[in-house]
Amino acid sequence: NAGVTQTPKFRVLKTGQSMTLLCAQDMNHEYMYWYRQDPGMGLRLIHYSVGEGTTAKGEVPDGYNVSRLKKQNFLLGLESAAPSQTSVYFCASRRRATAGEYNEQFFGPGTRLTVL
Amino acid sequence: GQNIDQPTEMTATEGAIVQINCTYQTSGFNGLFWYQQHAGEAPTFLSYNVLDGLEEKGRFSSFLSRSKGYSYLLLKELQMKDSASYLCAVPNTGGFKTIFGAGTRLFVKA
Repeated sequence: NAGVTQTPKFRVLKTGQSMTLLCAQDMNHEYMYWYRQDPGMGLRLIHYSVGEGTTAKGEVPDGYNVSRLKKQNFLLGLESAAPSQTSVYFCASRRRATAGEYNEQFFGPGTRLTVL
Repeated sequence: GQNIDQPTEMTATEGAIVQINCTYQTSGFNGLFWYQQHAGEAPTFLSYNVLDGLEEKGRFSSFLSRSKGYSYLLLKELQMKDSASYLCAVPNTGGFKTIFGAGTRLFVKA
């Protein structure tokens, strides 16, 4: 199993350009997440999905959009990139928990994005 | 709301023991996670505590006190490869999301 994969691994954008980050998981997990990680600030949730066709906003959703058309894929879009979006982006997934159970997340290797 | 505090950095010597503390404030408690993250890599799961007490897993142990809103990660027989960031995290009340602390960077020196 590949687990959680992300493409691309690195990208440099100019202000105003758009791009899509792709996350794929082969563990049949229901829940998927997009985080950004900045120095000294830990992981901050951008958007998440609890199932195919559903998405919800996280802590820092502005400037990002997501889609989950297939269970195994979760796409993160930047319509008009800004320097403030320079960050490392991690995708994660986890299986649906039974009542009272909270299970761990599995993370992809990350995408390092620089916006000039 | 939810809030997690952990020290920013710690330094320890190879072969020693180090304790990384985490305090949290939540409106409802659904357990506490510890993740390890090496520089330039993804976080990986270390432990999950939902009941009070110490859980041991090889060289790593994790402790929880729900009444004090406190947890710690204990690393024994430190090795150079243990140099990494250690993230404390708690699920939110609804359970879909997890709130992460900023992480503690551990430096292991020879």
